[in-house]
Parts: sequence; structure tokens; C-alpha cells
Amino acid sequence: DAMVIQNPRYQVTQFGKPVTLSCSQTLNHNVMYWYQQKSSQAPKLLFHYYDKDFNNEADTPDNFQSRRPNTSFCFLDIRSPGLGDTAMYLCATAEPGLSPDTQYFGPGTRLTVL
Amino acid sequence: GESVGLHLPTLSVQEGDNSIINCAYSNSASDYFIWYKQESGKGPQFIIDIRSNMDKRQGQRVTVLLNKTVKHLSLQIAATQPGDSAVYFCAEKYKGGKLIFGQGTELSVKP
Repeated sequence: DAMVIQNPRYQVTQFGKPVTLSCSQTLNHNVMYWYQQKSSQAPKLLFHYYDKDFNNEADTPDNFQSRRPNTSFCFLDIRSPGLGDTAMYLCATAEPGLSPDTQYFGPGTRLTVL
Repeated sequence: GESVGLHLPTLSVQEGDNSIINCAYSNSASDYFIWYKQESGKGPQFIIDIRSNMDKRQGQRVTVLLNKTVKHLSLQIAATQPGDSAVYFCAEKYKGGKLIFGQGTELSVKP
């Protein structure tokens, strides 16, 4: 089945220790998104790629970076995680022009910063 | 540590009853709306969508109503089942742009 896969599903890291979360998709969608979702809150968009074009949200901290080496993969790098970065990180994909015009979400990576 | 989480609005219904989840959206120019279901530990899943030129759309056991005058969206679930227990988010889109998520409502179904 075509899908969005995130690894790892759970990640524990120490304060200040860099961490990388990965996302892959078999949908061949042009657009890939990274969201941060804290407990009992809505997903908050960090950035997205439209093909190779990177689009950062204005309020995304510099601590968060992303790479998209090819259509299928996208990575979220947190250079120096703080305690406040403990959250679920969701990857999503979309293809403009499809109906429904929705985003397809992966299962998320739950990150805990100690 | 993590900032204190907000408390989501909660709707508790009896199995077999109908559920109505409400959402207020922010941008009067938004032209596309989606309802997502998010189960614990999972990513949001698409349930149903509606374009701004419609005021009602029906799916299997779900109906979305759109009232553009008051910028209000609702999701009706017929014959609610325990498997419907989840957090439900509405989301709006403006001219094919990014999704803007609403606050979310936690639906709890009592057997």
C-alpha cells in the first residue's frame, strides 16, 4: 500500500544532543511537510518542500532544519534540542491537483528530550 | 519541560447516538475545508472535505455542514461507535495554500 513512513516511531534524546527524524513516502507526491504537535494541541507547520523548493514558516526556530535529498525522503534535523521540543513530529505529503486536496500524514515520531 | 498542555474540548456520547462536532474557522476567504480524525499515537486521517461553494456534503456515516455567514463548520457522525473515539480537527485552506488547523475536539464514545 502507498503510504507515509516515519522512523523512528519513538526517540529519546538528551538536552542539546542533535537528533534526526526521517520520513519516506511511496505516494510520489511533490510536496512534503513537517509538523510539530504538542500534547492536546493542533499540528503546527514547521516547513515544507514543494519539490526541491524549501519553504520555512516565519516562526520556526533556527534550531530546526530539513533536508530532502530526493522525492521519497525528507529529514528533520534538530540541532540542539531543548526540553520544549518534546512533541510528536508529523510528516505529511500532498500532490496539488488531486482530489481530495488533502495531506497524507505519517504515524509520527514521538520525541522526548530529557 | 514541555509547556502545560491545553485541555481539548471534549464530547462524550453513548454508543449508537449521533455526534456533532463544531469548528469555527478564521479566514472568510478560505475555499476548502477538511475534517481529520486523529487516534491516539497516530497521525491525522482524512475523513471528509467540502468546498466553499457547497453547504453540505455526506459520506459514509459522516456529514459536513458549512455555514460561511458565521464561518462555522460541523461534522456529524451517525450511530457513533467506540472506534470513532479520537480527536477531530477541522482544517481550512485558502487558494490551495497551507492547511490551518482548528483547535480539535476529543470525542469519547461510551459503550
